[in-house]
Amino acid sequence: QVQLVESGGGLVKPGGSLRLSCAASGFTFSDYYMSWIRQAPGKGLEWVSYISSSGSTIYYADSVKGRFTISRDNAKNSLYLQMNSLRAEDTAVYYCARVSGGTDVWGQGTTVTVSS
Amino acid sequence: EIVLTQSPDFQSVTPKEKVTITCRASQSIGSSLHWYQQKPDQSPKLLIKYASQSFSGVPSRFSGSGSGTDFTLTINSLEAEDAATYYCHQSSSLPPTFGQGTRLEIK
Repeated sequence: QVQLVESGGGLVKPGGSLRLSCAASGFTFSDYYMSWIRQAPGKGLEWVSYISSSGSTIYYADSVKGRFTISRDNAKNSLYLQMNSLRAEDTAVYYCARVSGGTDVWGQGTTVTVSS
Repeated sequence: EIVLTQSPDFQSVTPKEKVTITCRASQSIGSSLHWYQQKPDQSPKLLIKYASQSFSGVPSRFSGSGSGTDFTLTINSLEAEDAATYYCHQSSSLPPTFGQGTRLEIK
């Protein structure tokens, strides 16, 4: 079945780095735009970044521009988010999501906690 | 950036009631408006895409309408399992944005 599985979250100190991964299965990954969306504790949803099917087009939210890098490996059916210079306000559950008429498939999320 | 404003923020309803949640966009977004349901400790699930198209597998009691700046999610004959937070989302222009959410409590 169609599935997205995130990994790589954890506890990191302010200023530190983490790399999130998302493994896709059950569909032709290379056909779809993909997004990262986050949700801070007790808060709503915030779009972080998206990448086109080929990887040639990328957009970032202003809040992460210059610190986060989205990438994909279509041969490995995988999406990534490299997060540098992390701040306390980046603490959230990070969801990998498939873009198709809105976001039609979501992963279960991986938790990132930025704290000293 | 397009701002989406949902109303109400919270609603307490009884089973079998009809519920209406609205989402207003700060500028016209055509029909590029989608609705999601999120239950506690779960990831969001797509209910309605492009304002009125039901997503596969979604119960028929969920429906959407609207275009331009004003949109509505309707839940007919509410069931206990519909207790959740509902979000609207626009994909008309970058950055994609979400409404603040409407929490539905079942009495």
